[in-house]
Amino acid sequence: AQSVTQPDIHITVSEGASLELRCNYSYGATPYLFWYVQSPGQGLQLLLKYFSGDTLVQGIKGFEAEFKRSQSSFNLRKPSVHWSDAAEYFCAVGARDSSYKLIFGSGTRLLVRP
Amino acid sequence: NAGVTQTPKFRVLKTGQSMTLLCAQDMNHEYMYWYRQDPGMGLRLIHYSVGEGTTAKGEVPDGYNVSRLKKQNFLLGLESAAPSQTSVYFCASSYNPSTGGLDYGYTFGSGTRLTVV
Repeated sequence: AQSVTQPDIHITVSEGASLELRCNYSYGATPYLFWYVQSPGQGLQLLLKYFSGDTLVQGIKGFEAEFKRSQSSFNLRKPSVHWSDAAEYFCAVGARDSSYKLIFGSGTRLLVRP
Repeated sequence: NAGVTQTPKFRVLKTGQSMTLLCAQDMNHEYMYWYRQDPGMGLRLIHYSVGEGTTAKGEVPDGYNVSRLKKQNFLLGLESAAPSQTSVYFCASSYNPSTGGLDYGYTFGSGTRLTVV
């Protein structure tokens, strides 16, 4: 069964600083990997996804993530954080079976210092 | 606007009461999912459906039932609510067969905040 670990519960960065959110997954085959963002009181919005091919994927809002098979990781990065990026971020792995269900990590809450 | 609509948005139940949460989508999606979100635990899959008339258990199905009688609707039922079911519930849908391959393009509803006292 697939699983996802996000080791950081909270991260605080200053506006303009770079950001990296960590995600480690467990899956028996090449996974489908995703990052979602959730603003307070809102549903989830897809930032980016990895299915195959180039291991560095670009997403919306200036985010990117890199798939590293050897480390079972899919870390999310942004070179310069804006105050509006403050939100909760979820990494997820998708099942390569007929259910196409997503299993989510526990999330990382990003706080941005002015 | 096209999307996933959840009703109600808020609800307070007493222990032992029953209720049904409704999820409706107008995107012709085949797959629908119910998740619950609890602090520090992310989203956990309760039940899901891969088409009209089908349902399957997810990670945390106990205490919940679901039905998918119409393609556009996915109902989540609590027969006898317990305080442990206090949570925010999210519905999601994906995969329109007429638009081609599956890309996990989940569309989420805005959530239902349920409190059981």
